[in-house]
Amino acid sequence: QKEVEQNSGPLSVPEGAIASLNCTYSDRGSQSFFWYRQYSGKSPELIMFIYSNGDKEDGRFTAQLNKASQYVSLLIRDSQPSDSATYLCAVWDSNTGNQFYFGTGTSLTVIP
Amino acid sequence: EPEVTQTPSHQVTQMGQEVILRCVPISNHLYFYWYRQILGQKVEFLVSFYNNEISEKSEIFDDQFSVERPDGSNFTLKIRSTKLEDSAMYFCASAGYEKLFFGSGTQLSVL
Repeated sequence: QKEVEQNSGPLSVPEGAIASLNCTYSDRGSQSFFWYRQYSGKSPELIMFIYSNGDKEDGRFTAQLNKASQYVSLLIRDSQPSDSATYLCAVWDSNTGNQFYFGTGTSLTVIP
Repeated sequence: EPEVTQTPSHQVTQMGQEVILRCVPISNHLYFYWYRQILGQKVEFLVSFYNNEISEKSEIFDDQFSVERPDGSNFTLKIRSTKLEDSAMYFCASAGYEKLFFGSGTQLSVL
C-alpha cells in the first residue's frame, strides 16, 4: 500500500509570510510529484509538479523534491488570503497502472 | 484551455435508485479516473480506466459501481442501488503526459 503523508494542519500564516507545506511518500519508485489546491466545495486544481530532485519555482510557488529522503514540499511566498485552501500532495507511479496517490491534504489559512 | 467536464453538477436521488454520473475527459487523454470526497474528508480513489477497461479499482468500488466509455468522448460512473453513505462529491479526472486534471465534480445526495 503506497502511503502519502501530510500534516493535516490547520496551518495559519500571516499575510505576506512564507507558508511551508510538507509531504512524505513511502514508495521509492515514485516518479512524479504534484501539488493540488482545493478550495472548499471545489475540485482539486493542479498548481505545481516536479520530477527531479531540487527546487522548481513558478511565481510565488516553489516545489522542492528530495528523493533520497522521500520528501516533497511546497513553499508559498508572500502568502495572500486567496491562498487559503487545502493543499493536496500527490504522487504518480507508472509501475502500478498509472496511479496517482493522494495525501489527506493540509488546510492553510492566511490571516489578513 | 481544455478541461474535464462533468454533469450534472448536483444530483439528488432516493436510496435504492440508480444514478449515472457523466464525464467528458480531455480529448487527447488516455487514462480516466473516478474519485469521491465525502464532506470534510480526503479524496478517495474509486477506479481507473485505460484502453476501454478497468485498470485498477479500490475496495470502495464494489459490485454496485460500474464504469463505461459508451462512445469516444463520454466516461460514466453508474451506481446501481444508491445508499445513504454514497452521498459525496464525485470527481472525474483524466491524465495525459503524467498530469492529472479534475472535473468540477458532481455533488450526489442520497435521501
